[in-house]
Amino acid sequence: DTGVSQDPRHKITKRGQNVTFRCDPISEHNRLYWYRQTLGQGPEFLTYFQNEAQLEKSRLLSDRFSAERPKGSFSTLEIQRTEQGDSAMYLCASSFSGPFEAFFGQGTRLTVV
Amino acid sequence: AQRVTQPEKLLSVFKGAPVELKCNYSYSGSPELFWYVQYSRQRLQLLLRHISRESIKGFTADLNKGETSFHLKKPFAQEEDSAMYYCALSSIQGAQKLVFGQGTRLTINP
Repeated sequence: DTGVSQDPRHKITKRGQNVTFRCDPISEHNRLYWYRQTLGQGPEFLTYFQNEAQLEKSRLLSDRFSAERPKGSFSTLEIQRTEQGDSAMYLCASSFSGPFEAFFGQGTRLTVV
Repeated sequence: AQRVTQPEKLLSVFKGAPVELKCNYSYSGSPELFWYVQYSRQRLQLLLRHISRESIKGFTADLNKGETSFHLKKPFAQEEDSAMYYCALSSIQGAQKLVFGQGTRLTINP
């Protein structure tokens, strides 16, 4: 599969623990997006990278969240001191030219217990 | 503020019947509108965008700026159309994000 890859696919963690997710975009795509999707809702934008630069962040991205994209390749999303409200599907997408042409990964489902 | 509303969480129609999934939006500028689809156990993928004015898999959507709507239509539903459908908008001015609606689960009954 040469599409956007996310790891892990599922993560169960205890409240208060830190978690890190990884996204490997399609190799020639310079734009990378993170979205969060809670049950019964559509995806909500979290942050956007162009190459290694983080150019947009949603107010949803509290100071417990941090995202990186070193060298403009893969990206990581870390959540510190997880809370039950962080339980969601975290989606990564990448594109070459714009947000609407982004290809989505299969997501990482986080459950905080 | 940008907002996308899909009033129907669930929609069920019989095979061969027409289907219309509703989408209304609020946005102060000129948005681009899209429909995304997610089939069972598959990734979210772009179905169509308003500026291309294409028909994809028999689906069409017309942007009505007066009613701020972008409803998705298909004259004859097929069982393989059963999926989750999301309406989304993006700013033409270059904001790098999509704003999604809550989604409508479409079920086509045989």
